[in-house]
Amino acid sequence: NAGVTQTPKFRVLKTGQSMTLLCAQDMNHEYMYWYRQDPGMGLRLIHYSVGEGTTAKGEVPDGYNVSRLKKQNFLLGLESAAPSQTSVYFCASTRTGPDPGAFFGQGTRLTVV
Amino acid sequence: DAKTTQPTSMDCAEGRAANLPCNHSTISGNEYVYWYRQIHSQGPQYIIHGLKNNETNEMASLIITEDRKSSTLILPHATLRDTAVYYCIVRVSGNTPLVFGKGTRLSVIA
Repeated sequence: NAGVTQTPKFRVLKTGQSMTLLCAQDMNHEYMYWYRQDPGMGLRLIHYSVGEGTTAKGEVPDGYNVSRLKKQNFLLGLESAAPSQTSVYFCASTRTGPDPGAFFGQGTRLTVV
Repeated sequence: DAKTTQPTSMDCAEGRAANLPCNHSTISGNEYVYWYRQIHSQGPQYIIHGLKNNETNEMASLIITEDRKSSTLILPHATLRDTAVYYCIVRVSGNTPLVFGKGTRLSVIA
């Protein structure tokens, strides 16, 4: 099993450009999450999803949109990138019921210039 | 805001037990204590979680006080590869997001 896979791993964007980050999990998990992590900081929740077709805002949702059209995929979109969105983005997934813990992807390092 | 308080950093000698404390004085009756760690810039890794009783797995032990207002993560024989940021998180199991604080940076020293 691959677990949680994030695509791409690195990206440089110019201010104002758009892009989509893909998170894919093969564990049939219901819940998926997008976090960002700035240097020296903990992870902050951007958006999350409790099931296919549902999304909800986290702590820092502004400037981002998400979609969960398929259970295994959770997409994070930046419509008009800003330098303040330079960060490392992590995706995670968990299952319902007794919870063995979340599985995280290896991160996407995004630089907006 | 994170519901936990952890020291910013700690050192531990290689081979010794690392004891990482966490205060969660406002924890609710249905909230679990979770521990994750993040090695360098990798994605966080689940370590252990518990509700009331002490827990042990192949990675660590979790000791929760009787009043549940604090807990300690114990790495019994720390190695250099345990150098990481350790996050203590309280949450209702399963269907609520993990909210991360700043964690404790553990440095294991040879």
